[in-house]
Amino acid sequence: EIVLTQSPGTLSLSPGERATLSCRASQSVSSSFLAWHQQKPGQAPRLLMYGTTSRATGIPDRFSGSGSGTDFTLTVSRLEPEDSAVYYCQQYGDSPWTFGQGTKVEIK
Amino acid sequence: EVQLVESGGGSVQPGGSLRLSCSASGFTFSSYWMSWVRQAPGKGLEWVANIKQDGSEKNYVDSVKGRFTISRDNAKNSLYLQMNSLRAEDTAVYYCARIYSSGYYHLLDYWGQGTLVTVSS
Repeated sequence: EIVLTQSPGTLSLSPGERATLSCRASQSVSSSFLAWHQQKPGQAPRLLMYGTTSRATGIPDRFSGSGSGTDFTLTVSRLEPEDSAVYYCQQYGDSPWTFGQGTKVEIK
Repeated sequence: EVQLVESGGGSVQPGGSLRLSCSASGFTFSSYWMSWVRQAPGKGLEWVANIKQDGSEKNYVDSVKGRFTISRDNAKNSLYLQMNSLRAEDTAVYYCARIYSSGYYHLLDYWGQGTLVTVSS
């Protein structure tokens, strides 16, 4: 199975700063079938990005994704207080689907 | 508005059984693959199982094969997860999720709020 490793484990930034989250796969992710899900405390996960670069419905354009092969990045250009959450990358190109262990974004 | 509401969680002893349900609304349930994903306390997400629109195809993570069964009732807009021979490591919040299918990929696009399953003696 494809193992996804996310870094850093925790990111502590101020509002307006740029956040860069990394997701590295143990083998190439098929056709860039890489998604990001956001989970706020006590809430269900929410689809944020899919196909590496496409934003899900209702996701603001301060969120962007990039990468290919084994290295992927989620960038939040200008952090807002409501972006405080855990972000999980997930590959859906190969079975079993797998998730990274998550990056926690804290807003100072 | 897509809504997925899980129920049926609770505490059970090792070796016991539990059946989870997920009630769907706000979309044509019979047109979508569906999935169960779990999250152990303080841990990350783990995909558990998928089921095709008509129930003819099912996929499971290796750790639950032979113990868990995913099923659906399209007339009731409901998804189920029958969990047998439960182990302590099955303790988790179980999420029901909708799968968007494009034809050559499947994507988790909506999630329910989850139901907690605790396996302990």
